[in-house]
Amino acid sequence: EAGVTQSPTHLIKTRGQQATLRCSPISGHTSVYWYQQALGLGLQFLLWYDEGEERNRGNFPPRFSGRQFPNYSSELNVNALELEDSALYLCASSFGSLDYNEQFFGPGTRLTVL
Amino acid sequence: EDKVVQSPLSLVVHEGDTVTLNCSYEVTNFRSLLWYKQEKKAPTFLFMLTSSGIEKKSGRLSSILDKKELFSILNITATQTGDSAVYLCAVGKYNTDKLIFGTGTRLQVFP
Repeated sequence: EAGVTQSPTHLIKTRGQQATLRCSPISGHTSVYWYQQALGLGLQFLLWYDEGEERNRGNFPPRFSGRQFPNYSSELNVNALELEDSALYLCASSFGSLDYNEQFFGPGTRLTVL
Repeated sequence: EDKVVQSPLSLVVHEGDTVTLNCSYEVTNFRSLLWYKQEKKAPTFLFMLTSSGIEKKSGRLSSILDKKELFSILNITATQTGDSAVYLCAVGKYNTDKLIFGTGTRLQVFP
């Protein structure tokens, strides 16, 4: 069974540009979560999508947004990039039931902002 | 504010040693505690604990939750170099699928 996939693996942008990161969940999973892992920090929750809707959002500015498509894949968009947005962005998926917390992670996208 | 704290931050041991990693939490509407192992990029799932006092085991790894004292421990016996990784503790809450992560414990196992 294929795991969570993310693309691209690495992304290099300059300040002020926009970045788009993509995630495909495990087949059968309807929930997708995005986390940011900056150097030296733990995983910070960004966004949760379930059945195409944004269910919850972490303490991040509106420059961070995303969406979930009908096939449950998801996109994370970061506008007006700042240097401190440089981080590993991890996507996770789960069955989405509120009775089930187990999340499976993808390999991540390393975003570098110059 | 919800908080998950892991200790120690870093641990260096020799192969064969036994290690104990700690995770304490202050979270409203606690539902579950999860342990992940992160080697290069993707954290891989180890355990999910929801009930106090019931040990979960997988090979040399075991974990237990104490919901009264609000902590969990992850034990690794007879450590191997392949156990070197960052071990992440995360707490799940009712009414949301958001996980709250600790900053992790970096374990280095030397031969």
